[in-house]
Amino acid sequence: QKEVEQNSGPLSVPEGAIASLNCTYSDRVSQSFFWYRQYSGKSPELIMSIYSNGDKEDGRFTAQLNKASQYVSLLIRDSQPSDSATYLCAVNDLYSGGGADGLTFGKGTHLIIQP
Amino acid sequence: EPEVTQTPSHQVTQMGQEVILRCVPISNHLYFYWYRQILGQKVEFLVSFYNNEISEKSEIFDDQFSVERPDGSNFTLKIRSTKLEDSAMYFCASNLDRPKAFFGQGTRLTVV
Repeated sequence: QKEVEQNSGPLSVPEGAIASLNCTYSDRVSQSFFWYRQYSGKSPELIMSIYSNGDKEDGRFTAQLNKASQYVSLLIRDSQPSDSATYLCAVNDLYSGGGADGLTFGKGTHLIIQP
Repeated sequence: EPEVTQTPSHQVTQMGQEVILRCVPISNHLYFYWYRQILGQKVEFLVSFYNNEISEKSEIFDDQFSVERPDGSNFTLKIRSTKLEDSAMYFCASNLDRPKAFFGQGTRLTVV
C-alpha cells in the first residue's frame, strides 16, 4: 500500500517569507513526484513536477527530491497571500517499468500566508 | 489555455439511482482519468483510460463503476446504484505526457 505523508498544518508564514512544505512517501519504486495547489472547493492545479534527485526551480517555486530519504519538498519564495491554499504532494511509479498510471496523493498541507 | 471541462458542476441523486458524470478532456490528450475526493479527505485515483480501454483501476473502482469514451471527445463515468458513501467531488483529468495530470473543475455528487 503506497502512502504519501504530509503534515496537515495549518502552516502559517508571513508575507514575503519562504514557505517550506514537506512530503514523505513509502514506496521506493516511486519515480515521479508532483506538487498540486488546491484552493478550497476547487480542483487540484499542477504547479511542479520533479523526476530526478536535486532541485528544480520554476519562478518562485523550487521542488527538491531526495529518493534515498524518500522525501520531496516544495519551497515558495516571496510568499503572497494568494499562495494561501492546500498543497498536495502526489507520487507515481510509472517510470519503474510496468508502473501504474494513477497518482497517489497525500492529504495536503494547509498553507496560510499572513499579510 | 485549453482546459478539461466537466458537467454538471453539482449533481444530486437519490440512493440507488444511476448517475453519469461527463468530461471533455483537452483535445490532443491521450490519457484520461477519474479521481474522487470525499470532503476533507485526500484525492483518490479511480481509473485510467487509454486507447479506448481501461489501463488501470483502483480497488475503489468496482463493478458499480464504468467509464466510456463514446464519441472521441467526451469521457464519462457511470455510477450504478449510488450509495451514500459515493458522495464526493469527482475530478476528470487528462494528459498527453504521463504521468502528470491536468484536472477539470470537478462535479460535486451528493447522494441523498
